[in-house]
Amino acid sequence: EAGVAQSPRYKIIEKRQSVAFWCNPISGHATLYWYQQILGQGPKLLIQFQNNGVVDDSQLPKDRFSAERLKGVDSTLKIQPAKLEDSAVYLCASSQNGGRTEAFFGQGTRLTVV
Amino acid sequence: AQSVTQLGSHVSVSEGALVLLRCNYSSSVPPYLFWYVQYPNQGLQLLLKYTSAATLVKGINGFEAEFKKSETSFHLTKPSAHMSDAAEYFCAVTLSNDYKLSFGAGTTVTVRA
Repeated sequence: EAGVAQSPRYKIIEKRQSVAFWCNPISGHATLYWYQQILGQGPKLLIQFQNNGVVDDSQLPKDRFSAERLKGVDSTLKIQPAKLEDSAVYLCASSQNGGRTEAFFGQGTRLTVV
Repeated sequence: AQSVTQLGSHVSVSEGALVLLRCNYSSSVPPYLFWYVQYPNQGLQLLLKYTSAATLVKGINGFEAEFKKSETSFHLTKPSAHMSDAAEYFCAVTLSNDYKLSFGAGTTVTVRA
C-alpha cells in the first residue's frame, strides 16, 4: 500500500513570498490533516478535513494560510505571504475515519523562510 | 478542551535499561490514546494505541503502554533499550466525541552505549 506522499521535501523562500505544499493521502482515507511542527515542539494541527469538509481549522492563521482538499483526495496548503516564524516542517497525514483511527504520516516538507 | 502533557522533554538511558516515557491527558470523556515515534527527517509512525479495550497495550519494537483512568495517564515503557530506540516520541489523544488528533510536545530519547 502506498503511503502518504508530500512534495516538495524542502523549500527555502524569502519572507513575504508565497509557497504551496501538496499532499496525496492513502487511497480511501476520509480524513486528511495538516500539521505544523516547529523544531523541538510537537505537531500542531493546522487543519483537518473529513472528505471535502473542514472539521477543524481553529489554529490555522487564516490571514496568510489557506488549504483545500479537491474532490476529497489531494490537498494543498498555501502560505501567502510567508513570515520568518513560518519556518517549520509541514506534515500531512491521513486516516480512515477521524482521530480514532491510526494516522499515517508523510515525510513532511521542511520550510525555511529567510 | 482536550490536552495531553508529556513530562520530560529529554530522557537518557543506558542500552539495556528500562525506558519510561510519561504522558498524562486531560479529558472529561473517554479518550483514544496513541504513541507515535519520529526518527530524524521522517514522518511519525504509530507505536501503539488505546481504544477502550485492554488497558495494557502492546506495540511494535517491544514497547507497551498502560492506560490508567484513575491517574489519567498512558505511560510508555520498554524493558530494555536498544540503540535504535533513539528518537522522538509523541503522545497523542482523540476524544471519543471528537475527530481531532492532538499531540503532546514530545520526548527525545537518547541511548548511551
